[in-house]
Amino acid sequence: LAKTTQPISMDSYEGQEVNITCSHNNIATNDYITWYQQFPSQGPRFIIQGYKTKVTNEVASLFIPADRKSSTLSLPRVSLSDTAVYYCLQGQLTGGGNKLTFGTGTQLKVEL
Amino acid sequence: DGGITQSPKYLFRKEGQNVTLSCEQNLNHDAMYWYRQDPGQGLRLIYYSQIVNDFQKGDIAEGYSVSREKKESFPLTVTSAQKNPTAFYLCASSRGQGLNTGELFFGEGSRLTVL
Repeated sequence: LAKTTQPISMDSYEGQEVNITCSHNNIATNDYITWYQQFPSQGPRFIIQGYKTKVTNEVASLFIPADRKSSTLSLPRVSLSDTAVYYCLQGQLTGGGNKLTFGTGTQLKVEL
Repeated sequence: DGGITQSPKYLFRKEGQNVTLSCEQNLNHDAMYWYRQDPGQGLRLIYYSQIVNDFQKGDIAEGYSVSREKKESFPLTVTSAQKNPTAFYLCASSRGQGLNTGELFFGEGSRLTVL
């Protein structure tokens, strides 16, 4: 059973770098790790996806160590608008498709 | 524009009634998903479907039913057997190619309240 673990909440200030770590101890060889951002009463929005090492896009970086049992989402220079819940998502391939299960998420609060 | 459309956005239901939530996508995605979210909680998977005429139970399927008669449509029925149906329901789709499904695209959600 695919299961991820994240800190429940984190606080930061504008302009700081924020790193959110997700533990996925039972990740399978071919599983990808994906991160999403969710604002209240909206559907989650894709941030970044990776398989191993480091991936970077215009909004974030994703670090996945060699053993792939964890991943770290890095948000550079956060602003107030980055206050949201962040989820890491791990897939579990079943006979009927890819069972995508969200973890409990990390509530990030950014202050001035 | 391509995307996922959920309807209705708000729905009120009396206890004992079934209600069906609509989810339509024009992204030509193979995979579709239904999630439930309670206040202050994460998303829990209800059902998912990889292809037409096939779907799988997620972690909280009891009291719910789905169908996938067309690629673009994945309606969710909340039955009277669901004991606590008041929640925010989110539908999503992805290209669904194996484990690297790419981005999940979400609808705007349907908020169901049982009176």
